[in-house]
Amino acid sequence: QSVLTQPPSVSGAPGQRVTISCTGSSSNIGAPYDVHWYQHLPGAAPKLLIHYNSNRPSGVPDRFSGSKSGTSASLAITGLQAEDEADYYCQSYDISLSGFVFGTGTKVTVL
Amino acid sequence: EVQLVESGGGLVKPGGSLRLSCAASGFAFSSYGMNWVRQAPGKGLEWVSSIRSSTSSSGYIYYADSVKGRFTISRDNAKSSLYLEMNSLSAEDTAVYYCARAHEPYSGSYYALWNFDYWGQGTLVTVSS
Repeated sequence: QSVLTQPPSVSGAPGQRVTISCTGSSSNIGAPYDVHWYQHLPGAAPKLLIHYNSNRPSGVPDRFSGSKSGTSASLAITGLQAEDEADYYCQSYDISLSGFVFGTGTKVTVL
Repeated sequence: EVQLVESGGGLVKPGGSLRLSCAASGFAFSSYGMNWVRQAPGKGLEWVSSIRSSTSSSGYIYYADSVKGRFTISRDNAKSSLYLEMNSLSAEDTAVYYCARAHEPYSGSYYALWNFDYWGQGTLVTVSS
């Protein structure tokens, strides 16, 4: 059972903005350890979207942005596109578990 | 181009063993920490194990509690390969296993700061009688 909680699903029309929350605790996000975000299409390799809370790796469109506050973090997707339909996971480190933890995952649907 | 290619998955009986491999190319493998992450059918991602670029002591290897004592991570820098030896397998270990490269904010940083910047396509392990 994951210690990082995400909404199971979010949806939006093309061009809209959607946000995905990632709620943790004082032993992970609030410790404070950084939060990273991944995009995962079924059958494909997961892709790093945001690392160190708000930084985009080279090649990631600026439509994706991340933020962190206290024991939570958020991923925002602006100008939603059909190709953004995928599962999204947050990731951090948990001092109590002495290991990396992933969020429960959020399925983004483009209406 | 960074490439990670997993192999070794398959069907194994409960209590059995399996060895996964990950062949890396396109980067200086010996300079990077490496990781295994798995995804059970219909479930989310779960971190399994990590190994630092330096393996001079056991302190450079880390395991999730769910696999500690049963799984062993190792690497062969000469072959640019990562391995995961899995023993005492149970149905709960059924998953797609991904190899992932570690990204560090700076060389030698505390491993808790890692994230995973390149992933392989995964190899399926099915534990069933």
